[in-house]
Amino acid sequence: AQTVTQSQPEMSVQEAETVTLSCTYDTSESDYYLFWYKQPPSRQMILVIRQEAYKQQNATENRFSVNFQKAAKSFSLKISDSQLGDAAMYFCAYMSGYGNKLVFGAGTILRVKS
Amino acid sequence: EPEVTQTPSHQVTQMGQEVILRCVPISNHLYFYWYRQILGQKVEFLVSFYNNEISEKSEIFDDQFSVERPDGSNFTLKIRSTKLEDSAMYFCASRQGLNQPQHFGDGTRLSIL
Repeated sequence: AQTVTQSQPEMSVQEAETVTLSCTYDTSESDYYLFWYKQPPSRQMILVIRQEAYKQQNATENRFSVNFQKAAKSFSLKISDSQLGDAAMYFCAYMSGYGNKLVFGAGTILRVKS
Repeated sequence: EPEVTQTPSHQVTQMGQEVILRCVPISNHLYFYWYRQILGQKVEFLVSFYNNEISEKSEIFDDQFSVERPDGSNFTLKIRSTKLEDSAMYFCASRQGLNQPQHFGDGTRLSIL
């Protein structure tokens, strides 16, 4: 079974600075997708960014980018120019290319200091 | 932008009672999901639904749970006889195709007394 590990329960960043959230996963599959979801205090789950395993190029969405290291099974999220609105719980998630469901990590709480 | 809609936002129910959580997925989406998040814990998969049948379910999804798509728009999760440990946030999600990301609703907070 696939597992997703987020080793940082909590992170802090100063407004306008850059922060990196870590995620590692375990799978024997070659075809899969990785995601970062954001969950603000309002509790909704918002898709931040996705990465297809077959793509070598790291995904980027505005201030959000990933460092996808397939051999190391690592998928970190970098947030540049952090804003107060970035404060949230961030979940890393895995989805098999053959399957259906998302497997989530335990989450990292990101606090942004002004 | 189209959204997944869940109602109610908060449901309080006595232990042993039946509860139905409702979801309206994005209209052209074909795959539907329920996830659960117990307070302070990770989000857990419950069940997926495609072509009017369950395509996958977790060990959490036992006989007290059922899902239904009664019409062309709603997707419901029923818990027949609620237990205290069913207290959680329940998220509905949908996606258009197999290679598309899942979009989540805002969740229903279920409190069992």
